[in-house]
Amino acid sequence: AQKVTQAQTEISVVEKEDVTLDCVYETRDTTYYLFWYKQPPSGELVFLIRRNSFDEQNEISGRYSWNFQKSTSSFNFTITASQVVDSAVYFCALASGTYKYIFGTGTRLKVLA
Amino acid sequence: SQTIHQWPATLVQPVGSPLSLECTVEGTSNPNLYWYRQAAGRGLQLLFYSVGIGQISSEVPQNLSASRPQDRQFILSSKKLLLSDSGFYLCAWIRGDGNEQFFGPGTRLTVL
Repeated sequence: AQKVTQAQTEISVVEKEDVTLDCVYETRDTTYYLFWYKQPPSGELVFLIRRNSFDEQNEISGRYSWNFQKSTSSFNFTITASQVVDSAVYFCALASGTYKYIFGTGTRLKVLA
Repeated sequence: SQTIHQWPATLVQPVGSPLSLECTVEGTSNPNLYWYRQAAGRGLQLLFYSVGIGQISSEVPQNLSASRPQDRQFILSSKKLLLSDSGFYLCAWIRGDGNEQFFGPGTRLTVL
C-alpha cells in the first residue's frame, strides 16, 4: 500500500528562522513521483516541486530547498529565512503507476512577525 | 496557457438538497481530471478521477457521483446532501507533459 506521512501537524516559527517540513512515504513501486504543494489561506493548492524516483539530486529554488533520500524514504522541504507570506498548509504527495495521487495530511506553518 | 475553473466558489445548501459542482479546463485536451474533498483542517481525500469522456473511477462509496460529459468538463453531483458533505471541493488536472496536478480555486460547500 502507498502512504504519505507528514508527522508535523503544525509548526510555528519566528520570521527569518529556517524551518524544515518532513515527509515520509511508503511505496513498493520502483518508479514514482513526489510532490510538494502549498495551500495559502485562499484555499487553492499551488504546485511547488516534482521529483522522480530516479533523481535524488537535491534542489534549491530561492529560499526553498528539497532533500530527497530514498534510503530513508523521505522528501523533506526546507524554507530558509522564513517570511510571513510563507504561512500556509503544505502538502506532500506521492504518485506512481496508477492515476491516483496520495496526499499527506499536511503541515500548517505559521510564521510570526 | 492552461487554466482550470470551478464554480460556484461558495455554496450553502440544506440537508437533502441536490448538488452540482462544475469544473472546466481550458487550453489542453484529454486531461486526466480529479475531484478531491478537504474537510475543515484535514487533508485531501480523492473522490473521483477520470481519464476520458464517460470514464469515471470512484474512490469513496458515498452519496456523491461524478460525470464527464465533455473532454474538459468534470461535474460532481449529489441527489441528496448530507451534513458530512460539507467541505472544500477541489478539482485538479494533469498536464500532458508531466504528471504534476494543477488545482482549481475550489468550492466551499456548507450543508446546513
